[in-house]
Amino acid sequence: AQTVTQSQPEMSVQEAETVTLSCTYDTSESDYYLFWYKQPPSRQMILVIRQEAYKQQNATENRFSVNFQKAAKSFSLKISDSQLGDAAMYFCAALRSSGTYKYIFGTGTRLKVLA
Amino acid sequence: DTEVTQTPKHLVMGMTNKKSLKCEQHMGHRAMYWYKQKAKKPPELMFVYSYEKLSINESVPSRFSPECPNSSLLNLHLHALQPEDSALYLCASSQAGRLGQPQHFGDGTRLSIL
Repeated sequence: AQTVTQSQPEMSVQEAETVTLSCTYDTSESDYYLFWYKQPPSRQMILVIRQEAYKQQNATENRFSVNFQKAAKSFSLKISDSQLGDAAMYFCAALRSSGTYKYIFGTGTRLKVLA
Repeated sequence: DTEVTQTPKHLVMGMTNKKSLKCEQHMGHRAMYWYKQKAKKPPELMFVYSYEKLSINESVPSRFSPECPNSSLLNLHLHALQPEDSALYLCASSQAGRLGQPQHFGDGTRLSIL
């Protein structure tokens, strides 16, 4: 069975600084997909970034990038130049490629951005 | 703008009431999901519909009854709920038939059971 672990319940970062959120996962699948979602307080959950496990290149979306270490089963999210609007709950999620729609979510990391 | 629309945004109901939650999307997604989310917790999968057929039921109590009347609509019918069912109910959709597609979430319905 797949599991996703986020070991940091809460993180803080100073505005304009860089922060890294950790995520590890366990799967016996050879092909899968990994996601980071952001859920601001009382607002919609939105996709931050997506990584295909068969691609070695780390995904990047503007200030957001991942460090994908397939052998270590690690998928961390780096936020550069943090902004007040980045404050949110961040969930790491995994999805098998073998015809299932069952996304497995981690327990989340609450990110606080300090002015 | 939210591409997945959920109504109502808030719902308060008694344990004997019957109500329905509604979810609509017009992105052509053929996979639709219901999740339950408690405060500061990750979403818990309840149901998945793919091509308007129920493909996953995560052993949800029968007081929750999903329905997918067409490719754009997803309903969740509620009856005889318990106080522990108070939560945020999220609807999501994704492309079906293509591997590894991300989900698009609605704003959710915040449900309170008296």
